[in-house]
Amino acid sequence: GAGVSQTPSNKVTEKGKYVELRCDPISGHTALYWYRQSLGQGPEFLIYFQGTGAADDSGLPNDRFFAVRPEGSVSTLKIQRTERGDSAVYLCASSLGPGLAGVPNTDTQYFGPGTRLTVL
Amino acid sequence: LAKTTQPISMDSYEGQEVNITCSHNNIATNDYITWYQQFPSQGPRFIIQGYKTKVTNEVASLFIPADRKSSTLSLPRVSLSDTAVYYCLVGGEGGGFKTIFGAGTRLFVKA
Repeated sequence: GAGVSQTPSNKVTEKGKYVELRCDPISGHTALYWYRQSLGQGPEFLIYFQGTGAADDSGLPNDRFFAVRPEGSVSTLKIQRTERGDSAVYLCASSLGPGLAGVPNTDTQYFGPGTRLTVL
Repeated sequence: LAKTTQPISMDSYEGQEVNITCSHNNIATNDYITWYQQFPSQGPRFIIQGYKTKVTNEVASLFIPADRKSSTLSLPRVSLSDTAVYYCLVGGEGGGFKTIFGAGTRLFVKA
């Protein structure tokens, strides 16, 4: 079946501009995650959705970052007034949700290929 | 503080068995241990998950001692295509879904 898809694959923008990054999760997956990955680093957690609601947005770096998932499927990560430091690969992952016996930390995440954002 | 500690990098040769050990001294009772693999320009891919003792699948084995303060990912007979970054994850932050990746272990397999 289809995996997680992300669009665009690459986005180049200028400092100060607004960007939207899209994630299409695996059908039936109720949980969705956004991460940011800089070169040579592991993915950095940004936000987690369970259904339509953001269950944990503690990883969003500041109020320029916002994410939505209005129908519990597709999600959009929005970045306002982009800065050069926002340049990174933005990864999306989806999962079935609470794992074994409702234990969250058994939840296997399936990642998309990422969107490479470059802010000039 | 990082929840897990892994070697930054490892080198191996084709056909060898590779063991990558991860320390997680503060693992909680409900925490499972999960390993992901990441190739350049791709998102991480789930490899294996376990709670205690030994887990084996078609890709790897995971060894977890009784105290669960560490775990070892074992890759049998590696090939060049196993060159990747391997991440060890423990539980979720505060028991929830916030997933913390460390810097991972860069495995380089040579011919």
